[in-house]
Amino acid sequence: GAGVSQTPSNKVTEKGKYVELRCDPISGHTALYWYRQSLGQGPEFLIYFQGTGAADDSGLPNDRFFAVRPEGSVSTLKIQRTERGDSAVYLCASSPDSNYGYTFGSGTRLTVV
Amino acid sequence: AQSVTQLGSHVSVSEGALVLLRCNYSSSVPPYLFWYVQYPNQGLQLLLKYTTGATLVKGINGFEAEFKKSETSFHLTKPSAHMSDAAEYFCAVSLIQGAQKLVFGQGTRLTINP
Repeated sequence: GAGVSQTPSNKVTEKGKYVELRCDPISGHTALYWYRQSLGQGPEFLIYFQGTGAADDSGLPNDRFFAVRPEGSVSTLKIQRTERGDSAVYLCASSPDSNYGYTFGSGTRLTVV
Repeated sequence: AQSVTQLGSHVSVSEGALVLLRCNYSSSVPPYLFWYVQYPNQGLQLLLKYTTGATLVKGINGFEAEFKKSETSFHLTKPSAHMSDAAEYFCAVSLIQGAQKLVFGQGTRLTINP
């Protein structure tokens, strides 16, 4: 597609529930990134994929967070047993291989109530 | 480890006035440096980046930034503010080699007064 697409744009879930956030990168971009942006803060790195594999997952806060990219295109960020502290905007970005020109999506605003 | 400090969480200028948004970084190796802009309910858009070469970098929408190694700074400027410049601005740093992740500052909200 023309840009990075993230769905849903908004998600409200109850504490303890499981959620999946989807990212469609720009066609042909092999690198894909997930960031989390809490209110009033800059984005914080979560995980980076090169192709199908997670090249760096050092930013995932704990084992409730997991991300996949099975075919090297679409990625899903999965959060188990959600907590109120998980409420944030989750941003996805993609870039062609090792080029540093990220393109960000508009994000998914997750609210845990 | 790298870190980024943006001085001033909120900056207000008059339309037509100079815009100056400050960014200082710390890095154990020569960094790549970036400025992103975020409009309400939108994703981050790259304004400009410094990788190597000329230390004065020109970006979109009339913005520019200068890498000053001695001051560990990468301040963003625009000679004349426009109402459409009102947004949140983020400075970010990355290693030249290896890690692809960016470390962002906390952001500066720019308000333009008519």
